[in-house]
Amino acid sequence: GQNIDQPTEMTATEGAIVQINCTYQTSGFNGLFWYQQHAGEAPTFLSYNVLDGLEEKGRFSSFLSRSKGYSYLLLKELQMKDSASYLCAVYPQAGTALIFGKGTTLSVSS
Amino acid sequence: EAGVAQSPRYKIIEKRQSVAFWCNPISGHATLYWYQQILGQGPKLLIQFQNNGVVDDSQLPKDRFSAERLKGVDSTLKIQPAKLEDSAVYLCASSPPIDYEQYFGPGTRLTVT
Repeated sequence: GQNIDQPTEMTATEGAIVQINCTYQTSGFNGLFWYQQHAGEAPTFLSYNVLDGLEEKGRFSSFLSRSKGYSYLLLKELQMKDSASYLCAVYPQAGTALIFGKGTTLSVSS
Repeated sequence: EAGVAQSPRYKIIEKRQSVAFWCNPISGHATLYWYQQILGQGPKLLIQFQNNGVVDDSQLPKDRFSAERLKGVDSTLKIQPAKLEDSAVYLCASSPPIDYEQYFGPGTRLTVT
């Protein structure tokens, strides 16, 4: 079966650092995506990891451990506009659709 | 570059009625996806097209849902008849050949009363 787990909700304050974890068990693995989705809007691409290790892109970083079936998204210097849902998605095979987790709703307060 | 276009953005219908959604992918994108996103959950694939052929429709409730992609460009998704549990956001996404990234449209929010 396909299973992707991530926390339902997280809260943090402006300027802080937050780590959103994602664990997965899928029948195939060709990479892992993180998407950001603001309320009422479409998901937008944040990162893609296919090899183990950390990928850094500005304030956002994403980590992958294929042996552990584990990824995290690290958000630094949090801003109010980072309040959104963060979706972890596995790309099981080339040319197939993504399998999404339920998303983590992050609330950033001042 | 224009993004993925969807219409309508919002739709309210009564149960047992019919509804259709339209998607225009990014120009040159061969692959088109329809996802259903129920409130509080991640998107779930309904159907995937490669050009005008169906790649995966294993999770499409075929007794009430249908989709087509004429000429390998625009696509329509239809629900007939609608049920209360069909209330969701219907997202269309597209991806170019030999690329993994999917680009999402703004979605259609359907409310079935």
